[in-house]
Amino acid sequence: AQSVSQHNHHVILSEAASLELGCNYSYGGTVNLFWYVQYPGQHLQLLLKYFSGDPLVKGIKGFEAEFIKSKFSFNLRKPSVQWSDTAEYFCAVVKAAGNKLTFGGGTRVLVKP
Amino acid sequence: GAVVSQHPSWVICKSGTSVKIECRSLDFQATTMFWYRQFPKQSLMLMATSNEGSKATYEQGVEKDKFLINHASLTLSTLTVTSAHPEDSSFYICSASYPGQGSGELFFGEGSRLTVL
Repeated sequence: AQSVSQHNHHVILSEAASLELGCNYSYGGTVNLFWYVQYPGQHLQLLLKYFSGDPLVKGIKGFEAEFIKSKFSFNLRKPSVQWSDTAEYFCAVVKAAGNKLTFGGGTRVLVKP
Repeated sequence: GAVVSQHPSWVICKSGTSVKIECRSLDFQATTMFWYRQFPKQSLMLMATSNEGSKATYEQGVEKDKFLINHASLTLSTLTVTSAHPEDSSFYICSASYPGQGSGELFFGEGSRLTVL
């Protein structure tokens, strides 16, 4: 079975700082990769996704993620965070031919104004 | 974007009673919905895959007689926690895939917090 691990449970940083959240998965086959975000009081929503092609994908709100197949990683980045980026971020993986999404443990990000 | 809504958002019940949680896709038809459970400070764990017009597929370790799932229409799936006990207290989240979207690309409900006294 596939598993997903996120390196940090909590991250605290100031506005304008750069953010990088690590994500590694364990599955040797072809996968689709996602980052979902849950802002306070809101539904979980898609931030960005990777299915194939350019391993550097861009999502909403200035976020990007890079798929490194050799490292089984899909790290999320944002060069300059804002207070409104305070949220919980989940990395998720699904087998390309499947439909069961497996989530990482989540990372709570607090951006101080 | 597509909207998935759950009801109720929170519910408190006595031990031994049953609780039904509804999950609706408001502006699209969802042949498949997914039910997740989230414990405090932990990630979402898939409980079952709900298929319209057929039986749900449960993940290993999830009691199907305990967590009854019904997907009677293309816009509604229900999760019934039967004979609830305090250990069933949790945050339950449903999701649905929009037709034509890639595998794993889901829209989530707001979640339902169940507290069993």
